[in-house]
Amino acid sequence: EAQLLEFGGGLVQPGGSLRLSCAASGFTFSNYAMSWVRQAPGKGLEWVSTISGSGDSTYYADSVKGRFTISRDNSKNTLYLQMSSLRAEDTATYYCAKEKTATTGWFDPWGRGTLVTVSS
Amino acid sequence: QLVLTQSPSASASLGASVKLTCTLSSGLSNYAIAWHQQQPEKGPRYLMKVNSDGSHTKGDGIPDRFSGSSSGAERYLSISSLQSEDEADYYCQTWGTGFQVFGGGTKLTVL
Repeated sequence: EAQLLEFGGGLVQPGGSLRLSCAASGFTFSNYAMSWVRQAPGKGLEWVSTISGSGDSTYYADSVKGRFTISRDNSKNTLYLQMSSLRAEDTATYYCAKEKTATTGWFDPWGRGTLVTVSS
Repeated sequence: QLVLTQSPSASASLGASVKLTCTLSSGLSNYAIAWHQQQPEKGPRYLMKVNSDGSHTKGDGIPDRFSGSSSGAERYLSISSLQSEDEADYYCQTWGTGFQVFGGGTKLTVL
């Protein structure tokens, strides 16, 4: 059974940085694209970033482009999201999700999420 | 621009049936979508993929009470024999290389 578990959330000041991790198990990690999706308190789901299975291709939402960097270590079955220049509007629960193929597809499964709070 | 439109709320009685709708923006009626359920204080869970021809592929362990269908640019999620645990937010999603799009979500209340 595929499982995902996020780590690294917490309280950070505006302008600060944080790195999220997502540990994957139960599937061949390198065969699938992976994404980060966030949900601000009381709001809907917002796609943040996607990385292909090989790690060669990365994509970002306009709201985070230039500030966030997605990466993966296929030898460790781990996905990362490096977040910098954080703003109050980045406050959200961040979920990692496995895509259906090496390049794109729907999300299944999702992790439980990790909360990031940007506040002074 | 690819936009998915969902009604913000829906309600139905315990034991009844409900049909939720996700509408694809104009000219994009051939896209498949996925439905996800998010129960209170939990992460989302994949329910099913719904193709433009109405065929659907459910996730592991999703009860038969859940089904999907299509008509034109609309994609549907039907839930029969509503149970209290079906009270949740339901999101539709579509995708392509380099992008993912979510609908705004429908909050389902089971009366």
